Amino acid sequence: ETGVTQTPRHLVMGMTNKKSLKCEQHLGHNAMYWYKQSAKKPLELMFVYNFKEQTENNSVPSRFSPECPNSSHLFLHLHTLQPEDSALYLCASSLNYGDSDANYGYTFGSGTRLTVV
Amino acid sequence: GQNIDQPTEMTATEGAIVQINCTYQTSGFNGLFWYQQHAGEAPTFLSYNVLDGLEEKGRFSSFLSRSKGYSYLLLKELQMKDSASYLCAVRARTKYTGGFKTIFGAGTRLFVKA
Repeated sequence: ETGVTQTPRHLVMGMTNKKSLKCEQHLGHNAMYWYKQSAKKPLELMFVYNFKEQTENNSVPSRFSPECPNSSHLFLHLHTLQPEDSALYLCASSLNYGDSDANYGYTFGSGTRLTVV
Repeated sequence: GQNIDQPTEMTATEGAIVQINCTYQTSGFNGLFWYQQHAGEAPTFLSYNVLDGLEEKGRFSSFLSRSKGYSYLLLKELQMKDSASYLCAVRARTKYTGGFKTIFGAGTRLFVKA
Protein backbone atom coordinates (compact mmCIF):
# COMPACT_ATOMS: atom_id res chain seq x y z
CA GLU A 1 0.00 0.00 0.00
CA THR A 2 1.31 3.41 -0.93
CA GLY A 3 -0.90 5.46 1.37
CA VAL A 4 -3.31 6.29 -1.43
CA THR A 5 -6.23 3.86 -1.59
CA GLN A 6 -8.49 3.51 -4.58
CA THR A 7 -11.74 1.56 -4.80
CA PRO A 8 -12.90 -0.43 -6.57
CA ARG A 9 -9.82 -2.08 -8.10
CA HIS A 10 -11.84 -3.31 -11.06
CA LEU A 11 -15.10 -2.03 -12.54
CA VAL A 12 -17.15 -3.19 -15.51
CA MET A 13 -20.01 -0.93 -16.47
CA GLY A 14 -22.45 -0.50 -19.28
CA MET A 15 -22.68 2.68 -21.29
CA THR A 16 -25.90 3.72 -19.57
CA ASN A 17 -24.70 3.07 -16.01
CA LYS A 18 -23.66 5.55 -13.37
CA LYS A 19 -20.78 4.64 -11.09
CA SER A 20 -18.21 6.38 -8.92
CA LEU A 21 -14.53 5.85 -8.29
CA LYS A 22 -13.16 6.66 -4.85
CA CYS A 23 -9.72 7.77 -3.74
CA GLU A 24 -8.59 8.28 -0.16
CA GLN A 25 -5.31 9.42 1.39
CA HIS A 26 -4.33 10.13 4.96
CA LEU A 27 -0.82 11.36 4.21
CA GLY A 28 -1.68 14.96 5.03
CA HIS A 29 -1.38 15.92 1.38
CA ASN A 30 -3.26 18.92 0.11
CA ALA A 31 -3.25 18.24 -3.64
CA MET A 32 -5.03 15.35 -5.33
CA TYR A 33 -5.11 14.32 -8.98
CA TRP A 34 -7.00 12.07 -11.36
CA TYR A 35 -5.01 10.52 -14.23
CA LYS A 36 -6.12 8.26 -17.07
CA GLN A 37 -3.68 5.58 -18.22
CA SER A 38 -4.46 3.86 -21.53
CA ALA A 39 -2.34 1.09 -22.98
CA LYS A 40 0.90 2.36 -24.53
CA LYS A 41 -0.09 5.99 -24.00
CA PRO A 42 1.23 8.60 -21.58
CA LEU A 43 -0.55 9.27 -18.34
CA GLU A 44 -3.18 11.91 -19.06
CA LEU A 45 -3.92 14.43 -16.35
CA MET A 46 -7.67 14.85 -15.96
CA PHE A 47 -8.30 16.95 -12.84
CA VAL A 48 -6.33 18.62 -10.08
CA TYR A 49 -7.59 19.67 -6.67
CA ASN A 50 -5.54 21.83 -4.34
CA PHE A 51 -6.93 22.41 -0.85
CA LYS A 52 -10.30 21.01 -2.06
CA GLU A 53 -10.53 23.53 -4.89
CA GLN A 54 -10.37 22.39 -8.49
CA THR A 55 -7.39 24.04 -10.12
CA GLU A 56 -7.27 22.16 -13.41
CA ASN A 57 -9.69 20.51 -15.77
CA ASN A 58 -7.82 19.37 -18.87
CA SER A 59 -10.69 19.45 -21.36
CA VAL A 60 -12.23 16.33 -19.88
CA PRO A 61 -15.69 15.37 -21.23
CA SER A 62 -18.57 16.15 -18.92
CA ARG A 63 -19.39 12.46 -18.57
CA PHE A 64 -16.55 12.52 -16.01
CA SER A 65 -17.43 14.58 -12.95
CA PRO A 66 -14.95 14.99 -10.07
CA GLU A 67 -15.79 15.74 -6.47
CA CYS A 68 -13.47 16.62 -3.62
CA PRO A 69 -15.37 16.97 -0.33
CA ASN A 70 -12.17 17.37 1.72
CA SER A 71 -8.41 17.13 1.27
CA SER A 72 -8.41 13.39 2.02
CA HIS A 73 -11.09 12.19 -0.38
CA LEU A 74 -11.55 12.45 -4.11
CA PHE A 75 -14.28 10.96 -6.26
CA LEU A 76 -14.75 10.54 -9.98
CA HIS A 77 -18.39 10.16 -10.96
CA LEU A 78 -18.98 8.38 -14.24
CA HIS A 79 -22.10 8.41 -16.45
CA THR A 80 -22.90 7.48 -20.04
CA LEU A 81 -19.33 6.43 -20.74
CA GLN A 82 -18.02 5.18 -24.07
CA PRO A 83 -15.98 2.04 -24.76
CA GLU A 84 -12.93 4.25 -25.46
CA ASP A 85 -13.08 5.38 -21.84
CA SER A 86 -11.91 1.94 -20.78
CA ALA A 87 -8.55 2.48 -19.06
CA LEU A 88 -6.73 2.45 -15.76
CA TYR A 89 -7.75 5.48 -13.68
CA LEU A 90 -5.07 6.53 -11.24
CA CYS A 91 -5.43 8.83 -8.28
CA ALA A 92 -2.37 10.62 -6.93
CA SER A 93 -1.59 13.05 -4.16
CA SER A 94 1.23 15.40 -3.24
CA LEU A 95 1.97 17.64 -0.28
CA ASN A 96 1.13 20.75 -2.24
CA TYR A 97 0.53 21.53 -5.87
CA GLY A 98 3.80 23.08 -6.91
CA ASP A 99 7.24 23.16 -5.37
CA SER A 100 6.77 20.36 -2.88
CA ASP A 101 6.28 17.88 -5.68
CA ALA A 102 9.95 18.09 -6.50
CA ASN A 103 11.25 16.16 -3.52
CA TYR A 104 8.93 13.20 -3.44
CA GLY A 105 7.01 13.22 -6.66
CA TYR A 106 3.46 12.09 -6.49
CA THR A 107 2.11 9.24 -4.40
CA PHE A 108 -0.11 7.15 -6.63
CA GLY A 109 -2.86 4.72 -5.80
CA SER A 110 -2.99 1.32 -7.50
CA GLY A 111 -5.76 2.46 -9.78
CA THR A 112 -9.20 1.33 -10.88
CA ARG A 113 -9.22 -0.81 -14.02
CA LEU A 114 -12.39 0.36 -15.82
CA THR A 115 -14.02 -1.56 -18.66
CA VAL A 116 -16.97 -0.01 -20.46
CA VAL A 117 -19.11 -2.50 -22.36
CA GLY B 1 4.22 22.16 -27.56
CA GLN B 2 5.40 19.58 -25.07
CA ASN B 3 6.65 16.15 -26.01
CA ILE B 4 8.36 13.28 -24.22
CA ASP B 5 9.89 10.31 -26.03
CA GLN B 6 11.15 7.06 -24.56
CA PRO B 7 11.53 3.58 -26.08
CA THR B 8 8.46 1.38 -25.87
CA GLU B 9 10.19 -1.80 -24.74
CA MET B 10 13.62 -3.04 -23.73
CA THR B 11 14.98 -6.45 -22.77
CA ALA B 12 18.03 -7.07 -20.62
CA THR B 13 19.68 -9.95 -18.78
CA GLU B 14 19.75 -10.50 -15.04
CA GLY B 15 22.93 -9.06 -13.53
CA ALA B 16 23.54 -6.70 -16.46
CA ILE B 17 23.27 -2.92 -16.77
CA VAL B 18 20.53 -1.20 -18.76
CA GLN B 19 20.07 2.43 -19.74
CA ILE B 20 16.60 3.80 -20.47
CA ASN B 21 16.65 7.06 -22.39
CA CYS B 22 14.16 9.90 -22.37
CA THR B 23 14.14 12.98 -24.57
CA TYR B 24 11.82 15.91 -24.09
CA GLN B 25 10.80 19.22 -25.56
CA THR B 26 9.05 21.58 -23.22
CA SER B 27 8.94 25.21 -22.24
CA GLY B 28 9.33 26.24 -18.63
CA PHE B 29 11.31 23.10 -17.74
CA ASN B 30 11.61 22.66 -13.99
CA GLY B 31 12.83 19.13 -13.44
CA LEU B 32 12.47 15.52 -14.53
CA PHE B 33 11.10 12.52 -12.64
CA TRP B 34 11.50 8.81 -13.12
CA TYR B 35 8.83 6.44 -11.81
CA GLN B 36 8.66 2.65 -11.72
CA GLN B 37 5.35 0.89 -12.31
CA HIS B 38 4.88 -2.85 -11.95
CA ALA B 39 1.95 -4.34 -13.82
CA GLY B 40 -1.31 -3.67 -12.01
CA GLU B 41 0.36 -1.52 -9.37
CA ALA B 42 0.83 2.16 -8.61
CA PRO B 43 3.71 4.10 -10.15
CA THR B 44 6.35 4.73 -7.48
CA PHE B 45 8.81 7.62 -7.35
CA LEU B 46 12.42 6.76 -8.21
CA SER B 47 14.27 10.02 -8.79
CA TYR B 48 14.09 13.72 -9.52
CA ASN B 49 16.72 15.73 -11.41
CA VAL B 50 16.62 19.47 -11.82
CA LEU B 51 20.34 20.20 -12.36
CA ASP B 52 22.62 18.69 -14.99
CA GLY B 53 24.55 15.62 -13.99
CA LEU B 54 24.21 12.20 -12.48
CA GLU B 55 22.27 11.37 -9.32
CA GLU B 56 23.04 7.96 -7.85
CA LYS B 57 20.70 6.10 -5.56
CA GLY B 58 21.78 2.53 -4.91
CA ARG B 59 21.46 0.39 -8.04
CA PHE B 60 19.58 3.18 -9.83
CA SER B 61 21.10 6.37 -11.25
CA SER B 62 19.48 9.17 -13.21
CA PHE B 63 21.19 11.63 -15.51
CA LEU B 64 20.00 14.95 -16.90
CA SER B 65 21.26 17.29 -19.63
CA ARG B 66 19.00 20.30 -19.84
CA SER B 67 20.73 21.76 -22.89
CA LYS B 68 20.11 18.53 -24.82
CA GLY B 69 16.64 17.87 -23.44
CA TYR B 70 17.84 14.42 -22.45
CA SER B 71 17.75 12.13 -19.46
CA TYR B 72 18.50 8.50 -18.78
CA LEU B 73 17.80 6.04 -16.02
CA LEU B 74 20.60 3.55 -15.39
CA LEU B 75 19.84 0.27 -13.67
CA LYS B 76 22.79 -1.81 -12.47
CA GLU B 77 22.97 -5.43 -11.33
CA LEU B 78 19.57 -6.11 -12.81
CA GLN B 79 17.21 -8.34 -10.90
CA MET B 80 14.10 -10.13 -12.09
CA LYS B 81 11.99 -7.85 -9.91
CA ASP B 82 13.18 -4.86 -11.98
CA SER B 83 10.86 -6.03 -14.78
CA ALA B 84 8.41 -3.13 -14.89
CA SER B 85 7.48 0.00 -16.81
CA TYR B 86 9.65 3.06 -16.26
CA LEU B 87 7.94 6.40 -16.71
CA CYS B 88 9.78 9.59 -17.54
CA ALA B 89 7.92 12.74 -16.45
CA VAL B 90 8.80 16.38 -16.95
CA ARG B 91 7.79 19.13 -14.56
CA ALA B 92 7.20 22.47 -16.24
CA ARG B 93 5.95 25.83 -15.16
CA THR B 94 2.62 26.59 -16.75
CA LYS B 95 2.54 29.68 -18.89
CA TYR B 96 -0.64 31.27 -17.70
CA THR B 97 -1.00 30.40 -14.04
CA GLY B 98 2.67 30.29 -13.07
CA GLY B 99 2.09 27.00 -11.31
CA PHE B 100 3.57 23.64 -12.24
CA LYS B 101 2.41 20.80 -14.43
CA THR B 102 3.87 17.30 -14.71
CA ILE B 103 3.76 15.66 -18.14
CA PHE B 104 4.36 11.93 -18.43
CA GLY B 105 5.92 9.89 -21.22
CA ALA B 106 4.27 6.67 -22.37
CA GLY B 107 6.73 4.56 -20.38
CA THR B 108 9.33 1.95 -21.26
CA ARG B 109 8.51 -1.67 -20.48
CA LEU B 110 11.63 -3.43 -19.28
CA PHE B 111 11.82 -7.22 -19.42
CA VAL B 112 14.60 -8.81 -17.38
CA LYS B 113 15.41 -12.36 -18.45
CA ALA B 114 17.40 -14.99 -16.62
